[in-house]
Amino acid sequence: DVKVTQSSRYLVKRTGEKVFLECVQDMDHENMFWYRQDPGLGLRLIYFSYDVKMKEKGDIPEGYSVSREKKERFSLILESASTNQTSMYLCASITGESGYTFGSGTRLTVV
Amino acid sequence: QKEVEQDPGPLSVPEGAIVSLNCTYSNSAFQYFMWYRQYSRKGPELLMYTYSSGNKEDGRFTAQVDKSSKYISLFIRDSQPSDSATYLCATRPGGNKLTFGTGTQLKVEL
Repeated sequence: DVKVTQSSRYLVKRTGEKVFLECVQDMDHENMFWYRQDPGLGLRLIYFSYDVKMKEKGDIPEGYSVSREKKERFSLILESASTNQTSMYLCASITGESGYTFGSGTRLTVV
Repeated sequence: QKEVEQDPGPLSVPEGAIVSLNCTYSNSAFQYFMWYRQYSRKGPELLMYTYSSGNKEDGRFTAQVDKSSKYISLFIRDSQPSDSATYLCATRPGGNKLTFGTGTQLKVEL
């Protein structure tokens, strides 16, 4: 079975901290995605990557950056965490025509 | 206008009921349609996938797409408490990005 693993389930960080969210997939997939999920707003695409070292901005990239040094790993970076970045963060890898496989999510709280 | 609209609920039904979950979409170019199920504090998991119009059945679940009215439906027969979750519809206009609805929260009561 396809697997997408997010390293942390829950994180609490302070305002201004640099935060790293890690995601690993074991499927040799080229396309990986970072979303955030908020009540009433649904899933919003932050960044995606279609190959190593390749990235594209999604709908809400401000305040975030990403890193893809190896095919299996896609990292989301909050350069200077703010309280409005408190959210559920979901990583996904594309699984052909039928859509994505998601990780379990990281619930980030910025205080 | 959002590309995919979905009633957020919550929707509460008794065990054994037939559940109908719906989405509308705006872009007639959308070809692929999916339903994801998301349990509390978990990531979404793919439930059903259809291409173009028509019905697809998998056990107690039926996905229906009506492209003429840009309407996507998920029916759950003989609903169970274990079906309590948030259901997200999604479309894939082309390329590798999905567009999601906001999700409908479903609770199946004993």
